Amino acid sequence: QVQLQQSGPGLVKPSQTLSLTCAISGDSVSSNSATWNWIRQSPSRGLEWLGRTYYTSKWYNDYALSVKSRITINPDTSKNQFSLQLSSVTPDDTAVYYCARATFNWFDSWGQGSLVTVSS
Amino acid sequence: DIQMTQSPSSLSVFVGDRVTITCRASQSISSYLNWYQQKPGKAPKLLIYAVSTLRSGVPSRFSGSGSGTDFTLTISSLQPEDFATYYCQQSYSIPLTFGPGTKVDIK
Repeated sequence: QVQLQQSGPGLVKPSQTLSLTCAISGDSVSSNSATWNWIRQSPSRGLEWLGRTYYTSKWYNDYALSVKSRITINPDTSKNQFSLQLSSVTPDDTAVYYCARATFNWFDSWGQGSLVTVSS
Repeated sequence: DIQMTQSPSSLSVFVGDRVTITCRASQSISSYLNWYQQKPGKAPKLLIYAVSTLRSGVPSRFSGSGSGTDFTLTISSLQPEDFATYYCQQSYSIPLTFGPGTKVDIK
C-alpha cells in the first residue's frame, strides 16, 4: 500500500519560495510505472495540477504553463521522496497542496495535504 | 488545455436517491476520464478510472459511463457516507485537468 507523507512550512512570505516534500513508502520514486505529481486546491482555482516528475530510463518533468517559470519538482532517490519548489509566490498561491502518485495518469494515492498561506 | 465542466454544481438529495453527475470535456478525450470523491478536510479519493472501472473497494452502487466528450457518474442508491464533492479528471493529455466539482449534500 502506497503512502505519501507531506512536510514543509505552512506560511511563506510574498516573493519567497514555497518548498514542500513528499516522502514515499510502498513504492519507489524511480518506478517505471508511476509519475509523481503536485496538485493544489483553492476556492478560486479548484483542483489544479502543477506538475510531475517521472523516470523512464532518465528523469523527466512536466509542468503546468501557469507556473512553468516558477516551479521545480525534483526527485530524491536517496530518501525516496520528491519535492516542490515554487518561487516568487504571491497571495494567489495560497492553497492546499497535495502530492499524488499517478498510474496511467489517474491519481491513485494522495498525500494528506498541506495548507500553505502566502502572507507577510 | 482541455477544459472540464460538470453539472450540476451542487445537488441536495435524500438517502436512497439515485444521483447522476455529468462531466463534459472541451474536446474528445476518448475514454481517459476518471472520477474522485472528496470529503471536507481530506484529499480526493479515486473512485473510477478509464470511464467505468471501479477502483478496488469502491461499492458497486457507483458506476461511470460515456466516451468522447460526455461522461456520467451514477450513484444508484445514495448512502450517508456518499455525501461529498465529486470531481472528474481527464487523463488524455498534459496538463491534466479537473472539473470544478459537484457537491452532493443532504436534503
